Amino acid sequence: AQSVTQLGSHVSVSEGALVLLRCNYSSSVPPYLFWYVQYPNQGLQLLLKYTSAATLVKGINGFEAEFKKSETSFHLTKPSAHMSDAAEYFCAVSDPGSGNTGKLIFGQGTTLQVKP
Amino acid sequence: KAGVTQTPRYLIKTRGQQVTLSCSPISGHRSVSWYQQTPGQGLQFLFEYFSETQRNKGNFPGRFSGRQFSNSRSEMNVSTLELGDSALYLCASRRAGGSGETQYFGPGTRLLVL
Repeated sequence: AQSVTQLGSHVSVSEGALVLLRCNYSSSVPPYLFWYVQYPNQGLQLLLKYTSAATLVKGINGFEAEFKKSETSFHLTKPSAHMSDAAEYFCAVSDPGSGNTGKLIFGQGTTLQVKP
Repeated sequence: KAGVTQTPRYLIKTRGQQVTLSCSPISGHRSVSWYQQTPGQGLQFLFEYFSETQRNKGNFPGRFSGRQFSNSRSEMNVSTLELGDSALYLCASRRAGGSGETQYFGPGTRLLVL
């Protein structure tokens, strides 16, 4: 069964510092991978996704992620944190071999705090 | 283009009651999925509907059910509410072209069971 692990439930960085949020997946075949962000009292917004094209994926708001098959990882990075980046971030996976299912398996989430 | 809408946004019920939540997908999207979000269990997949048929189901008891109408709008129902059903219920829509397709989430319905 597929699973997603996000290392660190809380990450704190200073404004302007590098943001690194970690995500590892467990799957027998390379899955589709997604990063979503959730602001308080809102739904999820897609930041970026990997669907077996380029391994380095660029998303919105300056975020990017690199798919590393050998490490089964899909870590999210941003060179310089902004106060508006404070939110909860979720890594998710879907199985390309499961037909057209929309089922996403989510990690537990990482809360990003940005200090001034 | 309007996003995914969910009604109501907030709901308070008591144990034993039932509740119906509604989701209107983005125009042209034929698939609607439902998720439950709680602090303890995180985001968990409930079920997915496509063309009025349930395509996939998560590991939830039969008290949780759903349906989809011909205009792709979807409802989910929870019968005999329990305290543990208190959660944010999110729906997501997509065109339904494949598993790698982006799902667009609504703002959620926050359910409190007393």
